[in-house]
Amino acid sequence: GAVVSQHPSWVICKSGTSVKIECRSLDFQATTMFWYRQFPKQSLMLMATSNEGSKATYEQGVEKDKFLINHASLTLSTLTVTSAHPEDSSFYICSAPVRTTSTDTQYFGPGTRLTVL
Amino acid sequence: GENVEQHPSTLSVQEGDSAVIKCTYSDSASNYFPWYKQELGKRPQLIIDIRSNVGEKKDQRIAVTLNKTAKHFSLHITETQPEDSAVYFCAASIGGGKLIFGQGTTLQVKP
Repeated sequence: GAVVSQHPSWVICKSGTSVKIECRSLDFQATTMFWYRQFPKQSLMLMATSNEGSKATYEQGVEKDKFLINHASLTLSTLTVTSAHPEDSSFYICSAPVRTTSTDTQYFGPGTRLTVL
Repeated sequence: GENVEQHPSTLSVQEGDSAVIKCTYSDSASNYFPWYKQELGKRPQLIIDIRSNVGEKKDQRIAVTLNKTAKHFSLHITETQPEDSAVYFCAASIGGGKLIFGQGTTLQVKP
């Protein structure tokens, strides 16, 4: 099956610093990847769609200047949380679709636990 | 906007019993409905999915049913085992490859 990796798996940073999270498709190419945020005991909330070679599209209420997304290659998307604050502490998960028959099956990365002190 | 409602939020069953989780979606254009199982601190794992041209799909102890007219779909787990304990999420496609997720159901299977 398709494999998606994320790095780092967890990170602790000080308030005001920036953190970069990488999402890689290991055995397939992904022109599109998705970034989600999941708070404890809550559902996955779609933040943005990462598009290879073009700008990301953000969901309503997500600050594009705070959550910078770069999709520089067909196997790598990065999410940078800029000027992180404690309220940004969350579980960030990426996913990449693999086309099967007429629709795409989403495969998720293992997630990155961000703690902002 | 589009949304997916999932019920119940928690479900406790005895080992060997069946478990049913129900979801309702709002976007009539949704045509793909996956179910994910998530264990604590781990990634969501796809366990079964169904597309809009099919009413039911089964994979061993897991089955999913879809009623497009009513915009309902359900997950059925039979002969539950303690290792089935996890959080289950339903999702619906909303175009552009995007998925919108239900609120999740915490399933506890008691030995």
